[in-house]
Amino acid sequence: QLHLQESGPILVMSSETLSLTCTVSGGSIKDYHYFWVWIRQSPGKGLEWIGDIYYSGDTYYNPSLKSRVSMSVDTSKNHFSLRLSSVAAADTAVYFCARRTLDYFVFDFWGQGTRVTVSS
Amino acid sequence: DIQMTQSPSSVSASVGDRVTISCRASQGISTYLGWYQQKPGRAPKLLIYAASRLQGGVPSRFSGSGSGTDFTLTISSLQPEDFATYYCQQANNFPLTFGGGTKVEIK
Repeated sequence: QLHLQESGPILVMSSETLSLTCTVSGGSIKDYHYFWVWIRQSPGKGLEWIGDIYYSGDTYYNPSLKSRVSMSVDTSKNHFSLRLSSVAAADTAVYFCARRTLDYFVFDFWGQGTRVTVSS
Repeated sequence: DIQMTQSPSSVSASVGDRVTISCRASQGISTYLGWYQQKPGRAPKLLIYAASRLQGGVPSRFSGSGSGTDFTLTISSLQPEDFATYYCQQANNFPLTFGGGTKVEIK
């Protein structure tokens, strides 16, 4: 059974960079049927798609965050990562990693989520 | 961006009731739509994809319909484990976007 697990600091100082990693187990990140995704959820903005990365390194980012987002993939470790720079209070949220299907563009497996707080 | 509007924002229902949730897209998305269920403290779970296709392992009391801009999620006979918040997601255009959610509460 596929399992995704987020890891990283749960407290980030304002103006600094948020960094999270999602480790995939029970399946290969090189499965060409899927993209790997970051999504966040906050009371104010609901569920927000941050971006996708393919095992080849191809990425799609939400234009609203594009200037601050960077995603990377490490196929040798079967994990992918998110970096969000210049964070502010509005970036406080639960961050989920997930898998997106290549054909129907839906998210069929999710990590449990990690709550990240931006502190001033 | 395509805006997804769900209605109602909350519904009170009893076990055994039929529940219908609506989702409207700000522009046509064909059948590129997914529905998710989320319980408190948990990640969303995919129920329906391509507007009407049931994800593996999801009970048949869940069904989806619609195309273009108007979509519906129906729970034919509400069970205790179905009390949760439901979200739609458009899968037609980047950026991928979600509706604001519909909370199904116990009457």
